[in-house]
Amino acid sequence: GENVEQHPSTLSVQEGDSAVIKCTYSDSASNYFPWYKQELGKGPQLIIDIRSNVGEKKDQRIAVTLNKTAKHFSLHITETQPEDSAVYFCAAGANNLFFGTGTRLTVIP
Amino acid sequence: DAGITQSPRHKVTETGTPVTLRCHQTENHRYMYWYRQDPGHGLRLIHYSYGVKDTDKGEVSDGYSVSRSKTEDFLLTLESATSSQTSVYFCAIRPGLAGGGQETQYFGPGTRLLVL
Repeated sequence: GENVEQHPSTLSVQEGDSAVIKCTYSDSASNYFPWYKQELGKGPQLIIDIRSNVGEKKDQRIAVTLNKTAKHFSLHITETQPEDSAVYFCAAGANNLFFGTGTRLTVIP
Repeated sequence: DAGITQSPRHKVTETGTPVTLRCHQTENHRYMYWYRQDPGHGLRLIHYSYGVKDTDKGEVSDGYSVSRSKTEDFLLTLESATSSQTSVYFCAIRPGLAGGGQETQYFGPGTRLLVL
């Protein structure tokens, strides 16, 4: 089955700096790559996703890149703000999703 | 939260007792999922449903069963709870088949289960 690895497990950045989270996947059949943000005590919320026919997607301060050949994808958050502090999960798959183990992002004011 | 509710939100039970968690959606989505979330493991799929009475196993299905008698409800049952099933359980829903923007899964608020 699919195996998704996510790094780093924790990340601290100063407010206004950029944050990058990286994931790799193993199954070349995976064609959908969402990113979720989870705040304490809540369910994961989709923040951005990308499909295998696209190399990059951007939504305001958030961008995702996908390298199908290398089987890795990344989340980029620019101009970080304290409210970006949360746990972020990547996932890969198609009909079913396989999740990374999460990155705890802390934005220091 | 995309019209998804989970009940109960918190539960404490004893080893060996049966437990049923409920996921209810108001979106009329075809697919429903049960995940468990544990530190260091992310979210792992327990069971999923692709229609009324149509279910299949995920990667960590041992000790769990599911039922879906109506589009809007997906039940997760622990027949005889064990301490290893202490976890946070999330339900998710998805509109339809992969492709054409139907792959997105939307998550409920979660149920925190403690098995003593």
